[in-house]
Amino acid sequence: AQSVTQPDIHITVSEGASLELRCNYSYGATPYLFWYVQSPGQGLQLLLKYFSGDTLVQGIKGFEAEFKRSQSSFNLRKPSVHWSDAAEYFCAVGPSWGGGGADGLTFGKGTHLIIQP
Amino acid sequence: NAGVTQTPKFQVLKTGQSMTLQCAQDMNHNSMYWYRQDPGMGLRLIYYSASEGTTDKGEVPNGYNVSRLNKREFSLRLESAAPSQTSVYFCASSERVNTEAFFGQGTRLTVV
Repeated sequence: AQSVTQPDIHITVSEGASLELRCNYSYGATPYLFWYVQSPGQGLQLLLKYFSGDTLVQGIKGFEAEFKRSQSSFNLRKPSVHWSDAAEYFCAVGPSWGGGGADGLTFGKGTHLIIQP
Repeated sequence: NAGVTQTPKFQVLKTGQSMTLQCAQDMNHNSMYWYRQDPGMGLRLIYYSASEGTTDKGEVPNGYNVSRLNKREFSLRLESAAPSQTSVYFCASSERVNTEAFFGQGTRLTVV
C-alpha cells in the first residue's frame, strides 16, 4: 500500500527566508506525486504535481519540488517566503498507471507553516 | 466555473441523527471522493467512485454510505451519527483515479 510521511508537523520561517518542506513516500513503483496547500477554513489547492519526466517541477506561487527516486522523496521548496504562504501543506501520492496500489490519493498528515515577520 | 460544490458548509447533529452531505462537480470528471480531515491526521479517504456507477471503500468507511447519483453528483450519508464522526468533510473530483484532485470548500460537521 502507498503511504506518505511528512516528518515536520510545524515549521517556522522568517519572511524572506528560503523554505523546504519534506515529504517521503512508500510505493512499489514510481508514483504520481502532489503538493497541496490549505489556508485556514479553506479547501485544498494544488501547488504542483509530478507524473514523469523532469524531476524538478515548477508550481504556482513560486513553489517547486524535486523528485528523488533514490531517497523516495518529493520535497517542496520556495526561495523566499511571504507572509501569505502561512498555511497547511500536504504531500500526496497516487498510483501510477500499471503500478498498482489504492485508488485515489493518499495524503501525509501535513506540515503547518508559520511565517515570522 | 464553480468546480466542486459541497452543501451544507456547517452542520450540527445530535448523536443518532442521520444526514446526507451533497457534492457536485461541473468539470466533467470521472472520479469523485469523500475525505475526512481531523487534526493531526491529514485527509483520510472514506469512499470513492472511480466512475459513474461504481463506488468503493476507502481507508475509513465504517458508519458511512455513498451514492454516485450521476456523473456530477456524489453524496455521503451518515445513517446514525456518532461523536467520532465530528470532522471536516471534503469532497473532491478528478479526471481519473490517479490524477490531481480538485477539492470543495468542506463541510464542518459536529456531532453532539
